[in-house]
Amino acid sequence: GQNIDQPTEMTATEGAIVQINCTYQTSGFNGLFWYQQHAGEAPTFLSYNVLDGLEEKGRFSSFLSRSKGYSYLLLKELQMKDSASYLCAVTDSNYQLIWGAGTKLIIKP
Amino acid sequence: DAGITQSPRHKVTETGTPVTLRCHQTENHRYMYWYRQDPGHGLRLIHYSYGVKDTDKGEVSDGYSVSRSKTEDFLLTLESATSSQTSVYFCAISESDNTDTQYFGPGTRLTVL
Repeated sequence: GQNIDQPTEMTATEGAIVQINCTYQTSGFNGLFWYQQHAGEAPTFLSYNVLDGLEEKGRFSSFLSRSKGYSYLLLKELQMKDSASYLCAVTDSNYQLIWGAGTKLIIKP
Repeated sequence: DAGITQSPRHKVTETGTPVTLRCHQTENHRYMYWYRQDPGHGLRLIHYSYGVKDTDKGEVSDGYSVSRSKTEDFLLTLESATSSQTSVYFCAISESDNTDTQYFGPGTRLTVL
């Protein structure tokens, strides 16, 4: 079956760096998304990777290795407002979007 | 922000009653989606639409039906609500298929007693 694995919860300190991992086993690959979801709100788009490598966007970066079925989201200079859930989603070869259960990130002062 | 609204935002209903949730967009996007989100699960696709009157089932479609008579509106109907359908429902839109970014509405919290 198709599966996306993310840690359920992570804790980090304000001002630090955190890496949220996502591994996937899907029928083919046509891209990987990261979304941010604050509690009680809708998911919002963060990044999209379709080729191997690192995509940087301000304090957030996303990395993809297709051969390893692996991605990570790197958050630098953590702020309290980064406390949220981070959702990984993969588009498979049939253009179905498979969602991970999300990683809840808790930022402590 | 993409113009997507959902109504109602909150609803409490009783088992066995019909419920309709509405999603309205002002972006003229071709694709629209209905998801449910429950603790411990990722977003799960209920139904989606790829054009007016063109819809298809997602992974958790049992007990749900949809209709799209206009580009801007996508309706989700629970024919006879059950307690297992208590959830948060999100509508999303995208310009093209699942290689494209999805933009989400604010969600509807549905409680079935």
